[in-house]
Parts: sequence; structure tokens; C-alpha cells
Amino acid sequence: EPEVTQTPSHQVTQMGQEVILRCVPISNHLYFYWYRQILGQKVEFLVSFYNNEISEKSEIFDDQFSVERPDGSNFTLKIRSTKLEDSAMYFCASSGAPGPHEQFFGPGTRLTVL
Amino acid sequence: GESVGLHLPTLSVQEGDNSIINCAYSNSASDYFIWYKQESGKGPQFIIDIRSNMDKRQGQRVTVLLNKTVKHLSLQIAATQPGDSAVYFCAENKPGNQFYFGTGTSLTVIP
Repeated sequence: EPEVTQTPSHQVTQMGQEVILRCVPISNHLYFYWYRQILGQKVEFLVSFYNNEISEKSEIFDDQFSVERPDGSNFTLKIRSTKLEDSAMYFCASSGAPGPHEQFFGPGTRLTVL
Repeated sequence: GESVGLHLPTLSVQEGDNSIINCAYSNSASDYFIWYKQESGKGPQFIIDIRSNMDKRQGQRVTVLLNKTVKHLSLQIAATQPGDSAVYFCAENKPGNQFYFGTGTSLTVIP
């Protein structure tokens, strides 16, 4: 069964450092998403991406964040200068159709900012 | 401001009993809803969805009920099994194609 994969599973970084979180969406999907979940809190939408462009983004997704699809398989989330409050689980998701359809989630990357 | 470390509602059921998990959503214009299951250390896993033009949808051992009048969603799990123990989230799709997740309910199945 196809699945979304994410690497690394756990990333530890120093405050102010740049991190790149990687995702490989399901191969025939065209719509990609990033979410985050701070420990003990809700899953929060960050950004959606289609056709090499951001479709939607939330207030959380400020100038410190960027997304990229550098090749035909990877989808990345970059945080330029990490802050302590960026510590969270980051989930990638993909969908085969736009709009309100099922999104398939990856297992997440736990980001710890020290 | 938002509270840190939300306390999840919890539900404990005996194995074999039926479970009902409830969710209140916020936007009357939301047109699509999903129930997700999240096990510890894993990403959300799709269980069942429902569109706003329906009030009930059934899957294997699960049923979702939608009451648009009171903006309420419920997930019924029949014959609950130990493997059903997890946190269950409802997510609503508001216009603009963003999913908003609820706080979640922690389900514990007692063998």
C-alpha cells in the first residue's frame, strides 16, 4: 500500500539554525501539505502546495518557513532560523485531488529546538 | 492566548462495547469532515469522511453522523477492540481548502 514517508524521524537543532524536513508523498498525488502538532496540542495546518506553488498558507507559515518540490518525488519544509517554539511534530500529507478530499499523512518528524 | 498542554477528553470502554466520540465544529460553511485516528508517535490515519450533503455514513465498524443544525459530528465504533485505542480527531474543511483539527479524544479500550 502506498504511503507518505518523512525523514528524519527526529531532528535536534540549535536555536537560530536552519532545518529542512523532507517528505516523499504518494507517487501519483499532486497536492501536498505540511502540518505541525505541538506536544499535547491540536494538529495545525501550515501550508498547501500544488503545481510548484503555494495554494494556501496559515498565519503560522511566516517568512521563516518555505516549501519546495526540488524534484519529482520530494517535498521539503525549510525553517530558516529556528526558534524554541518551533519544536513540534511536523506532518506531511498528500492528496490525489484538490479541495476537500482525504489527505494521507506521513509518520511525522519530531523537531526539537534547543 | 491558547492554553499549553490541552487536556484531552478521555473515553474508556470495555472491549466489545460500542464507542461514541463526539466533536463540535466551528464553521457552518464547512463542507467536508474527516475522522482521523492517531496512535502514539504516528501520523493521523484516515478513518471515515462525510460531506455536508449527508447526515450519516457507514464504514467497516464505524459510522459517522453529522448534525449541521448544531454543528456536531460523532464517530461510532462498533465492537471496540484493543487496537482501537488511540486519539481520535475530527477535522473540518472550511472554505479555502484548509483543514482544521479538533482537540481530540483519547479512547482507551479495556480488555
